Formats: sequence, C-alpha cells, structure tokens
Amino acid sequence: AQTVTQSQPEMSVQEAETVTLSCTYDTSENNYYLFWYKQPPSRQMILVIRQEAYKQQNATENRFSVNFQKAAKSFSLKISDSQLGDTAMYFCAFMTIQGAQKLVFGQGTRLTINP
Amino acid sequence: GAGVSQSPRYKVAKRGQDVALRCDPISGHVSLFWYQQALGQGPEFLTYFQNEAQLDKSGLPSDRFFAERPEGSVSTLKIQRTQQEDSAVYLCASSRDRGKYEQYFGPGTRLTVT
Repeated sequence: AQTVTQSQPEMSVQEAETVTLSCTYDTSENNYYLFWYKQPPSRQMILVIRQEAYKQQNATENRFSVNFQKAAKSFSLKISDSQLGDTAMYFCAFMTIQGAQKLVFGQGTRLTINP
Repeated sequence: GAGVSQSPRYKVAKRGQDVALRCDPISGHVSLFWYQQALGQGPEFLTYFQNEAQLDKSGLPSDRFFAERPEGSVSTLKIQRTQQEDSAVYLCASSRDRGKYEQYFGPGTRLTVT
C-alpha cells in the first residue's frame, strides 16, 4: 500500500517570501502521479500542481513549482512570492495508474502567510 | 460551469440514526469518489464509481456504510446506525474519466454524531 508523509504540520512565513513544503511517499510502483492540493479555510479543495512520475522535468504553475526526486521518493512544493491568499492547508497526494486511481493523501501542512 | 455540489453541508445526527449524504458531480464526469476527512487529517478514500458501477469499495470502514450511483450521475452515501467515530467531513470528487484527469472536489458535508 502507498503512504504519503508530510513532516511539517504547520508553517508560517511573511508575505512575499518563498516557502517550501515537504512530502515523501512510499510505493513499489514505477508509474504514478503526484499532486499538491490546497484547502483554504472553509473552502473546497483545489488542485495546485500535478507531476507525472515518468516525466523528469519538474512541474511549474506560475508561482508554484515542485522538486520531484523519484529515487528519493520526495515531492516538495515551492511557493514563490507568497501571498495572503496562499494561506491554507496543503495536502500532498499520490495516485496510482492502475485500479481505481484513488488519491492517497498526506496529513497536510497548515501554511499561514503573514502580512 | 457548475462545480461539484454536496448536500446537506452540515448534518447533526444522534447516535444510532441513519443519514444520507448527496453528491452532484460535474455534468458528464464519469468517475466519482467519496473520501472521509477526520478533523486535522488528510482525506481518506472510501469508494469509487465509474458511471453507475461501484468498482472499488475497499475504503468503506464497515458494513454500515453504503454508497450508490444508480444512473451514473448523482451519488448518495448512506451511513446506518451512526456512531461517534463517524463524525467527519465527507468529500465527494468527480473527474472526467480515468487517467490523469484532475479530481474536482465538492465543499463536503460535515457530519457530527452526538
């Protein structure tokens, strides 16, 4: 079974700073997908960024980028020029290519951006 | 277009009562997922539908939990004889099809069992 671990329960940075959220996972599969989801307070979970394991190039979406280290099974999220609206719970998630393609989530990191 | 909707948004049930939680996925989305999110935790998979077929129910915690999607659109998660440990947010997500398509989440139903 796959597991996802986020070792930082909470993080806090000042607006405009860069912050990196950590995620490690365990799997015996070679092909899979990794995601970062954002869950703002009392709002719906939304996808931030997606990485396909067979792609060596790290995914980027505007101010969001990942550092995907397949051999180390590490998938960190970097947020550049952080904004107040980035305040949220961030979940790292793993998805297999086979079967139901359900998401396996980590425990989450609560990120607070301070003015 | 409209996103995933869930109703009710909040539900308080007395221990032993039955509850039914509804999910309206994005129109045309083939895949539908239910997740359970305990307070301060990440969501955990409950069950998966592809159209009307329930292809994976390995995450349902007990036989008190039952889900259906009879016409391949709206889905209902039913919990019989609710227990305090069932208190959680129940999230529904849909995606266009299998594969790398994004799962779109609803706002969730917060269930409190007293």
